Amino acid sequence: SQKIEQNSEALNIQEGKTATLTCNYTNYSPAYLQWYRQDPGRGPVFLLLIRENEKEKRKERLKVTFDTTLKQSLFHITASQPADSATYLCALDGTGFQKLVFGTGTRLLVSP
Amino acid sequence: GAVVSQHPSRVICKSGTSVKIECRSLDFQATTMFWYRQFPKQSLMLMATSNEGSKATYEQGVEKDKFLINHASLTLSTLTVTSAHPEDSSFYICSARGLAGGDEQFFGPGTRLTVL
Repeated sequence: SQKIEQNSEALNIQEGKTATLTCNYTNYSPAYLQWYRQDPGRGPVFLLLIRENEKEKRKERLKVTFDTTLKQSLFHITASQPADSATYLCALDGTGFQKLVFGTGTRLLVSP
Repeated sequence: GAVVSQHPSRVICKSGTSVKIECRSLDFQATTMFWYRQFPKQSLMLMATSNEGSKATYEQGVEKDKFLINHASLTLSTLTVTSAHPEDSSFYICSARGLAGGDEQFFGPGTRLTVL
């Protein structure tokens, strides 16, 4: 069956450290994968998109990797700040054109 | 840029009534809009894909007669929950893709629907 798995347990880290979140998928062949941030009671906010032919993408303190052999994407936040505390969702183009399938998200807590 | 709004942000209604939710792309034209619902501590589930000027495409298990979608213009899509019941209570979120054809989706802030 098709699955997108993110660590359901919250990730607690100290301010200034690098946070690394994992997204694993099964039985999908996505052309791209996206990462979103979601705060409680709010809609997701787009962060980064990485295509199947890209190994790595960066944007300011954010870095995403995409390994189509391992079927895994890693999302890194360097020099993390308490304001980075949120739930981070990965999403990939699913069974149909343009349609995104979301993982359940990982909650990140950055303490001062 | 790429701002999507939703209205209302929160609605409480009685069982059996209909509720309309609006989704607008404020600074870009959206050929395609998507409607999702999200239950507490769960992920977003795609309900339907809406293209301007044509009928929406619904995901398996989503009742098209219950969740009416209209995409009347390149900046507006509406979702009407007809004859709402308590089990329809959820967080409804829309997203939009721009005319430029990028693969990113830009999400609205969501609408919290509570059916009493």
